[in-house]
Amino acid sequence: EAEVAQSPRYKITEKSQAVAFWCDPISGHATLYWYRQILGQGPELLVQFQDESVVDDSQLPKDRFSAERLKGVDSTLKIQPAELGDSAMYLCASSHTGGRTEAFFGQGTRLTVV
Amino acid sequence: SQQGEEDPQALSIQEGENATMNCSYKTSINNLQWYRQNSGRGLVHLILIRSNEREKHSGRLRVTLDTSKKSSSLLITASRAADTASYFCATSQGGSEKLVFGKGMKLTVNP
Repeated sequence: EAEVAQSPRYKITEKSQAVAFWCDPISGHATLYWYRQILGQGPELLVQFQDESVVDDSQLPKDRFSAERLKGVDSTLKIQPAELGDSAMYLCASSHTGGRTEAFFGQGTRLTVV
Repeated sequence: SQQGEEDPQALSIQEGENATMNCSYKTSINNLQWYRQNSGRGLVHLILIRSNEREKHSGRLRVTLDTSKKSSSLLITASRAADTASYFCATSQGGSEKLVFGKGMKLTVNP
């Protein structure tokens, strides 16, 4: 069964360092989402791609976060510099056509900033 | 920002009982979806109900949608210990059809 792949699963980084997460969506899925989930809360949408274009990044802290999806396939989310408050689970998801269809989630990357 | 709000925030029941979770939202939607998340894992899609539908079933799941009240409910019948998880409603909104999640509800099913 096709899955959304994310790496790394766990990441510990020091404050002010740069950190990057990678996501490979299910083949053929045009929509890719990055979410941030703080423990005990629901996922918060950071950025949504349709193919290689950003369609929503209204909640992305653009002073330190960046995301790209070159060639409209896999995607990278970067934080530079990392802050203590960035400690969270970062989830990637993909779907055929935006929110019109179900989203498939990866296992996430657990980030701890020390 | 989060759109939906699940109610109750936590529910503890015995195996075999039914569990009902409610979700309220604020804006117009394209559809509403329910997801489950086991501790420390990714989310798994359970069921999707479109804005022009009122009720949908999938196995032991039944979801209803009342767009006039901007609310939905998820019923899990004959619960099992394996149903222990956090449950989230998510709404598909706007032309970009972004998927916005609620805060979630923790269900514990005791064997």
